[in-house]
Amino acid sequence: KQEVTQIPAALSVPEGENLVLNCSFTDSAIYNLQWFRQDPGKGLTSLLLIQSSQREQTSGRLNASLDKSSGRSTLYIAASQPGDSATYLCAVRDNYGQNFVFGPGTRLSVLP
Amino acid sequence: EAGVAQSPRYKIIEKRQSVAFWCNPISGHATLYWYQQILGQGPKLLIQFQNNGVVDDSQLPKDRFSAERLKGVDSTLKIQPAKLEDSAVYLCASSSSRDTNYGYTFGSGTRLTVV
Repeated sequence: KQEVTQIPAALSVPEGENLVLNCSFTDSAIYNLQWFRQDPGKGLTSLLLIQSSQREQTSGRLNASLDKSSGRSTLYIAASQPGDSATYLCAVRDNYGQNFVFGPGTRLSVLP
Repeated sequence: EAGVAQSPRYKIIEKRQSVAFWCNPISGHATLYWYQQILGQGPKLLIQFQNNGVVDDSQLPKDRFSAERLKGVDSTLKIQPAKLEDSAVYLCASSSSRDTNYGYTFGSGTRLTVV
């Protein structure tokens, strides 16, 4: 059974810092991995999706990497802004099922 | 492209009452998911539909939860009777295997409070 963990559970940084969020999964036989952002009381917004054959994806100040063999993904946020404050979730779709398994999320606060 | 629509946005009910949530997925998306997200946790899959058939409902508490997807489009999720521990955000998502990325698109969710 696929299990997804995220470290740290919460992170507080001053504005302008570069930061890294970590995601680990137990079964490396994945189809793809997706990073989401969730604002308080809201649904999930897709940030980046990495296919199992890819190493990384970039969108603006965000860069997500995938190391399937070690069961890890990182989300790099450059030059953080207060508007980046949210919970960041990673989710893994494996080769056996058709649904995503989610991690518990990392709650990010960027202080002005 | 219109997103995934959910209603209502918020609902407060007393325990033992019943409640229903509605979801309209992105047009053409054959797969629809209902997730439950308890405060501070990641979403947990309740049920997955492929068109109007159930693919996975292994984590759905079938003694009180039910879901249907008529005509392979809209879906409703019902809780009867509700318990205090059902307080959560209920998220609907859809996806299409024809989408080369095969990712999820989520709705805004329904926040349920059971008192």
